[in-house]
Amino acid sequence: LAKTTQPISMDSYEGQEVNITCSHNNIATNDYITWYQQFPSQGPRFIIQGYKTKVTNEVASLFIPADRKSSTLSLPRVSLSDTAVYYCLVGDVSGSARQLTFGSGTQLTVLP
Amino acid sequence: GAVVSQHPSWVICKSGTSVKIECRSLDFQATTMFWYRQFPKQSLMLMATSNEGSKATYEQGVEKDKFLINHASLTLSTLTVTSAHPEDSSFYICSVRRRGYEQYFGPGTRLTVT
Repeated sequence: LAKTTQPISMDSYEGQEVNITCSHNNIATNDYITWYQQFPSQGPRFIIQGYKTKVTNEVASLFIPADRKSSTLSLPRVSLSDTAVYYCLVGDVSGSARQLTFGSGTQLTVLP
Repeated sequence: GAVVSQHPSWVICKSGTSVKIECRSLDFQATTMFWYRQFPKQSLMLMATSNEGSKATYEQGVEKDKFLINHASLTLSTLTVTSAHPEDSSFYICSVRRRGYEQYFGPGTRLTVT
């Protein structure tokens, strides 16, 4: 399973765009990159998933360079409610029996 | 809506007693479910993989006789913490994964052993 490295913490202000970068140097060919958000005392919540280039949904964008050794989660115009821990995970989604391994995550704190 | 449910959401028990936590897949049949444990300010740690109709696969360092897992049906897996001690107090989270889709996590169960 590919290991991921993220900043331990980040601070931002309301209304700003936040970019969290994740390093995954030994990503395998079949691996996808998935980001989860976790609030205290809650299970992780899926944010976005991608394989290459750029993926965008209603809450975030995911940028993946051509070598796929890193990825950047972009949160536009964050609010106080976006304060949470964000996890970057790398794994093969083709098999239902493959679990995901969590790294340390990034604590994002949005300030007023 | 929720894809995975857990019951109870929180439980307090006395040291030496056993506690059962249920995990249900609400939207699809899951032949495999996963159990994670999370201590305060730490990341999720995989404890075991629960396989329907067969024995669970435990991660290194997890006592299989202490954390009993039963995957009785395609929608239900249970984790029983036997002879619980204060050091077992933690946040337990289950998840299910559908082939080709992301992994869905339950809301978690807070266990406090006094």
